[in-house]
Amino acid sequence: AQSVTQLGSHVSVSEGALVLLRCNYSSSVPPYLFWYVQYPNQGLQLLLKYTSAATLVKGINGFEAEFKKSETSFHLTKPSAHMSDAAEYFCAVSVGGTDKLIFGTGTRLQVFP
Amino acid sequence: DTEVTQTPKHLVMGMTNKKSLKCEQHMGHRAMYWYKQKAKKPPELMFVYSYEKLSINESVPSRFSPECPNSSLLNLHLHALQPEDSALYLCASSQDRKTPLHFGNGTRLTVT
Repeated sequence: AQSVTQLGSHVSVSEGALVLLRCNYSSSVPPYLFWYVQYPNQGLQLLLKYTSAATLVKGINGFEAEFKKSETSFHLTKPSAHMSDAAEYFCAVSVGGTDKLIFGTGTRLQVFP
Repeated sequence: DTEVTQTPKHLVMGMTNKKSLKCEQHMGHRAMYWYKQKAKKPPELMFVYSYEKLSINESVPSRFSPECPNSSLLNLHLHALQPEDSALYLCASSQDRKTPLHFGNGTRLTVT
């Protein structure tokens, strides 16, 4: 069965520092993987997606993620954090052959000045 | 602005009330979803409609009753809810399994 694991429920960085949010997946078939961001009292907004094309995926707001099959990982990175990046980030996997999208437990990113 | 519109934004209801949550999308997506999200938790899938037919029910209690009147609308009828049902209810839509879900901003439900 497909699943995702996000390591670290909280990540704190200084403004301008590298952001690294970790996501590992489990899937018996090639997965479709997504990163979403959620700001307080809002719905989820897509940051980027992997659907078996390029392994390095660029998203909105300067974020990118690399699909590594050997490591079953899809970590999210941003070279330089901005205060506005403070939010909850969810990694998600589409369950093969169905319309299910399963979310990881989320990582709260704090950015300090 | 979100392309998936949910109403109302906030709802407070008693345990004996009947209310409905509404969701609308005009992107021509074939699938529509209801998710429930408790504070500091990820969204949990409740229901999926595909081409206006219920395709997934994640063993949701019958006090939640979904309805898809047409390809653009999705309702969630609520009856005899419990305080633990208080949560953010998110609607989403997608075209296919490769395309990402588009989420509304949710309805914040409080059951008293």
